[in-house]
Amino acid sequence: QKEVEQNSGPLSVPEGAIASLNCTYSDRGSQSFFWYRQYSGKSPELIMSIYSNGDKEDGRFTAQLNKASQYVSLLIRDSQPSDSATYLCAVDAGTYKYIFGTGTRLKVLA
Amino acid sequence: NAGVMQNPRHLVRRRGQEARLRCSPMKGHSHVYWYRQLPEEGLKFMVYLQKENIIDESGMPKERFSAEFPKEGPSILRIQQVVRGDSAAYFCASSPRDSAETQYFGPGTRLLVL
Repeated sequence: QKEVEQNSGPLSVPEGAIASLNCTYSDRGSQSFFWYRQYSGKSPELIMSIYSNGDKEDGRFTAQLNKASQYVSLLIRDSQPSDSATYLCAVDAGTYKYIFGTGTRLKVLA
Repeated sequence: NAGVMQNPRHLVRRRGQEARLRCSPMKGHSHVYWYRQLPEEGLKFMVYLQKENIIDESGMPKERFSAEFPKEGPSILRIQQVVRGDSAAYFCASSPRDSAETQYFGPGTRLLVL
């Protein structure tokens, strides 16, 4: 059974701080990793994709991948109240289907 | 550039009725995926389709659920004889022909079974 694990939170950070979200996965064969943001009652919105070990930066977001340790993380710099949402980690499970974690709820306190 | 479209956005059915959910992928996208999200849970993969083909239906319940993506028209997820446990948000995602790994989600259909 392929699994993706995330801490459900809530993770509370003050405005302007760095939020660090973590995700571990069980399938060593996974090659593609994604972070989605989901506001309450809304659909998932793609934030980042990462395929290679190391860091990938896009604006205030940095995704980090370590395949040897089977974890992927998302850093959000200068966190804003509008970043408050649930962040879903997704890992490819072959034939392009994703395995999603249950998500980490982030609260950015003004 | 219209995104993934789903309708209806909300659907109420009584136990035993049929639910029919529709998904139109983004323009130029030929891969469609259906996911289900139960309250307070993550998204669970159900089925992956291309035009006129079911590629992977390993996440579909064995009974009452079916999906299609005809040559013309939207993809349809059909749930027959709904039960209360089918109440969930059903999301459709699509990806382009040449980048099948990046999936973009529609707004979802919230199904409530009374």
